[in-house]
Amino acid sequence: DTEVTQTPKHLVMGMTNKKSLKCEQHMGHRAMYWYKQKAKKPPELMFVYSYEKLSINESVPSRFSPECPNSSLLNLHLHALQPEDSALYLCASSPHRWGLTEAFFGQGTRLTVV
Amino acid sequence: GESVGLHLPTLSVQEGDNSIINCAYSNSASDYFIWYKQESGKGPQFIIDIRSNMDKRQGQRVTVLLNKTVKHLSLQIAATQPGDSAVYFCAEILSGGYQKVTFGTGTKLQVIP
Repeated sequence: DTEVTQTPKHLVMGMTNKKSLKCEQHMGHRAMYWYKQKAKKPPELMFVYSYEKLSINESVPSRFSPECPNSSLLNLHLHALQPEDSALYLCASSPHRWGLTEAFFGQGTRLTVV
Repeated sequence: GESVGLHLPTLSVQEGDNSIINCAYSNSASDYFIWYKQESGKGPQFIIDIRSNMDKRQGQRVTVLLNKTVKHLSLQIAATQPGDSAVYFCAEILSGGYQKVTFGTGTKLQVIP
C-alpha cells in the first residue's frame, strides 16, 4: 500500500462551523505533513509531525489545529475559518530516516468556507 | 475592486516533441531535489529526484539536470504525450530527519495533439 488517503474529498463549511480533515497512511512513514494550496500556486507547508510529535508549525493561525493520534493518522481540526482559507489541503508522508526520499501526497481535500 | 488574475508560466508543446521545464531554486544548502507532476484536482505525484552530488539523472522518458553553480534545475520529457499535460513543480529539500519540502512556482505543460 503506497497511498495516502484523505477524507473528505470536498468540504463546504460555514465560518462558525467546526470540522476535521483526516489523513491516513499505512506505509510505516513516521513523518507526516499538512500543506495548503491555493489555485495556481504551489503547496505551502503548514505543519510537520515527526514520530507523532509536532516538529514544525509554519506560523499557522490557531483556527487550524493539527493532531496526530497515532503513526498512521493525521487530522486537521478547523474552527472559525475565513473565506480566504478556502483551498486544497494536502496531506503527505515520508519515511523518517537519515537519507533522502520523496514525500507521498494524498489527493487533497477541497475546502470551501462560506 | 477587481482581483488580478494569477497566471502560471505555461509551456505549449506539440505531441511527440520534447519538453524542457526549468526551475530556479533558492537555497544553496538544499541537498535533494524532486520534480512533481500535479494533474487538475489531484495531489502532487513524484516523477524523478536527484541528489546534490549528481548533475544528471534519467528515468523513463524523463531526465533531470542540476546546475548547482546557478541553482537551476530542469526537467526534460521525451516524446511528450497528452497524458503529460499537468502542472510541474520542482521542489528542494533540506534534509534533517524529516523532509521540509519547498516548492517552486510551477509550470503548466499543455500538450497539443
